Amino acid sequence: GENVEQHPSTLSVQEGDSAVIKCTYSDSASNYFPWYKQELGKGPQLIIDIRSNVGEKKDQRIAVTLNKTAKHFSLHITETQPEDSAVYFCAASTGTGFQKLVFGTGTRLLVSP
Amino acid sequence: GAGVSQSPSNKVTEKGKDVELRCDPISGHTALYWYRQSLGQGLEFLIYFQGNSAPDKSGLPSDRFSAERTGGSVSTLTIQRTQQEDSAVYLCASTRGGANTEAFFGQGTRLTVV
Repeated sequence: GENVEQHPSTLSVQEGDSAVIKCTYSDSASNYFPWYKQELGKGPQLIIDIRSNVGEKKDQRIAVTLNKTAKHFSLHITETQPEDSAVYFCAASTGTGFQKLVFGTGTRLLVSP
Repeated sequence: GAGVSQSPSNKVTEKGKDVELRCDPISGHTALYWYRQSLGQGLEFLIYFQGNSAPDKSGLPSDRFSAERTGGSVSTLTIQRTQQEDSAVYLCASTRGGANTEAFFGQGTRLTVV
């Protein structure tokens, strides 16, 4: 079955810096890759997703890149702000029949003012 | 409702007792998922419902875990004879169904078995 690895587990940056979180997946049939942000005491919330027919997607300060050949995808946050501090999860899904998301272990991002 | 609602938000139970966790998905969402999140870990898939049927129960850790969904809406996750290793946050998510659609998560139920 699918296995998703995520790095780093923790990431500390200064406000205004960029942050990059990387994930790799094992199932070449995976074709949907969402990223979730989880704030303390809340459920994960989708922040951006990418499908396998696209190499890059951007939404304001957030971008995701996908390399299907290497089976890895990354989240890029530019001009980080303290409110970006949270745990970020990547996930992958084969999207066949139903959407069984397999999640990475999460990255705790801390943005210091 | 406006979002996925889970109850209770926190549950402390004694080892060996049974617990029931409830999930109210977004109205009209046909697909419902249960995940478990242990401290410092990612989200572990437990079970998936499409309507009232559960095509995939492969993630349930043992036969002490069961879930049902009635009326294509509310779902209940039941853990019998709870053990300390069951302590975790149990998250429910719903989608409109099909593949590659956004999963909306509830705030979770934090279960502590003492």
